[in-house]
Amino acid sequence: GAGVSQTPSNKVTEKGKYVELRCDPISGHTALYWYRQSLGQGPEFLIYFQGTGAADDSGLPNDRFFAVRPEGSVSTLKIQRTERGDSAVYLCASSSPGTDTQYFGPGTRLTVL
Amino acid sequence: GEDVEQSLFLSVREGDSSVINCTYTDSSSTYLYWYKQEPGAGLQLLTYIFSNMDMKQDQRLTVLLNKKDKHLSLRIADTQTGDSAIYFCAESPLYGNKLVFGAGTILRVKS
Repeated sequence: GAGVSQTPSNKVTEKGKYVELRCDPISGHTALYWYRQSLGQGPEFLIYFQGTGAADDSGLPNDRFFAVRPEGSVSTLKIQRTERGDSAVYLCASSSPGTDTQYFGPGTRLTVL
Repeated sequence: GEDVEQSLFLSVREGDSSVINCTYTDSSSTYLYWYKQEPGAGLQLLTYIFSNMDMKQDQRLTVLLNKKDKHLSLRIADTQTGDSAIYFCAESPLYGNKLVFGAGTILRVKS
């Protein structure tokens, strides 16, 4: 079956621009997670959705970051006024109802010039 | 708060066993995970262990958990060159659904 997919795989943007990163979870998975992985580090939690609602957004670094999941499936991570420090790989994961095991997508590598 | 620590680098010869270690701070963690990341790729779930278990074996992989010392290890038997990757330990705190990751251990397998 299909795994978690993320688009685009690479995104290069200029400082100050707006970007959207998309995540398609595994079919039937109700929970969706976003993480950010900087070079040489482990992934850091950003936000967690259960269905359509953000159940925990404590990892979002500031109000330039926002994520939505309007129909409880696909999610979009939105970053306004990008900064060079936002450059990282953004990973999405999903898990099935009743389990905590998270399955990750390939990530989107964001580069802010 | 939660914190997970791992050694940075491990080098082994092909055919030897590899042991990757991890320590964590949250004693209420419910599950502990091992993920593998190859260059340019996402995270692949290798195995996990529930916090009330001491050991779990899955083919070439053996996970040992010492809950008293908050120490987790991953043993890979008969290590192959294809096992070269970064290995991440992660804990799942009791409250909340996020995973807390270590910085990863680079495993290099020499042929």
